[in-house]
Amino acid sequence: NAGVTQTPKFQVLKTGQSMTLQCAQDMNHEYMSWYRQDPGMGLRLIHYSVGAGITDQGEVPNGYNVSRSTTEDFPLRLLSAAPSQTSVYFCASSQGALYSPLHFGNGTRLTVT
Amino acid sequence: RKEVEQDPGPFNVPEGATVAFNCTYSNSASQSFFWYRQDCRKEPKLLMSVYSSGNEDGRFTAQLNRASQYISLLIRDSKLSDSATYLCVVTPPNAGKSTFGDGTTLTVKP
Repeated sequence: NAGVTQTPKFQVLKTGQSMTLQCAQDMNHEYMSWYRQDPGMGLRLIHYSVGAGITDQGEVPNGYNVSRSTTEDFPLRLLSAAPSQTSVYFCASSQGALYSPLHFGNGTRLTVT
Repeated sequence: RKEVEQDPGPFNVPEGATVAFNCTYSNSASQSFFWYRQDCRKEPKLLMSVYSSGNEDGRFTAQLNRASQYISLLIRDSKLSDSATYLCVVTPPNAGKSTFGDGTTLTVKP
């Protein structure tokens, strides 16, 4: 199993550009989530999904959209990139939302100039 | 007040030392607890789950104190390879919104 796969690994955007960060998992996990991590800080939840067709906002959802059309994929869209969105983005999945540990992708390092 | 707070660190200890980290949480109804390890610029990886009765995995011991709303991680006989940032994770009753602490950095020196 590949686990959780994120693409791209690195991305540079100009302010105002849009892009989609891809996340796919092959473990048949119901729960998926997106976090961002700024230097010297912990992970903050952007959006999460408890199953296909269901998404909800986390702690810092503004400027991001998600969709969950399949169990496997959970893309994160930046609508109009801003320098404040420069961060490392991690996608994670787990078997359930409550008692199961999270499995993380390798991360996407995004710089917005 | 943050939902999850960790010892700020950094912790610098010699090899062989015993070190303990605490993590406090504000929601008394929180349901599940984990410790993760994160190496520089890498993704977090599960170190261990934290059970109500406490649990041990080799040199690592995790404990939960619901009355005082904190979890702890004890590392015995520290190794150089234990140098990393340790993150606690707490999941509230509103399952799906797992909250991470900001992490505690440990450096084990020869």
